[in-house]
Amino acid sequence: EVQLVQSGAEVKKPGESLKISCKVSGYTFTSYWIGWVRQMPGKGLEWIGIIYPTDSDTRYNPSFQGQVTISTDKSISTAYLQWSSLKASDTAMYYCVRSVSADWCFDLWGRGTLVTVSS
Amino acid sequence: EIVLTQSPGTLSLSPGERATLSCRASQSVTTNYLAWYQQKSGQAPRLLVYAASFRATGIPDRFSGSGSGTDFTLTISRLEPEDFAVYYCQQYGRSPSTFGQGTKVDIK
Repeated sequence: EVQLVQSGAEVKKPGESLKISCKVSGYTFTSYWIGWVRQMPGKGLEWIGIIYPTDSDTRYNPSFQGQVTISTDKSISTAYLQWSSLKASDTAMYYCVRSVSADWCFDLWGRGTLVTVSS
Repeated sequence: EIVLTQSPGTLSLSPGERATLSCRASQSVTTNYLAWYQQKSGQAPRLLVYAASFRATGIPDRFSGSGSGTDFTLTISRLEPEDFAVYYCQQYGRSPSTFGQGTKVDIK
């Protein structure tokens, strides 16, 4: 089955680091771009950035540049979204998504990883 | 960045009725690269329409997209019980890709 399997919910304190994952199954990992979308509680969708696993070409939304890092590990068909120092405002659901290019829509979504940042 | 404004915020309709959702862009959307997604409560969004008017794989033909330039529409010809959800438009023709704030279709 073609799917994006995301890691489980996380509860962290402000200032802590975090890396969440998105494992691809059912298709060739290097054939598609993988992106990340944020949804804050009760709010809409925001595009964070996207990466091409073949060469790690990465594009960020300027609003998120420097706040997060997107990466991949081709050996295990997994993409990552990481923070070095979380803030309470990072509390949100994070979805990984698949796209045929850096400038295309998202035809496949993971179920989401809920990140809660609270002291 | 391109701002997308969806209207109305909430649409209250009965099963069997026609739903018309609007998405207006602050600038022309390049090559009509405009998508629509459906998000049911507690679930991830699902792609319905891409490039303004092409239905995604497996999407019923009661869903149709239209429009060009700055004005786009998603029409659901006859609402089924499973169609009551929040709908988002997205432009992906100019980086950063942006989404509208959503239209909630609820049961009247």
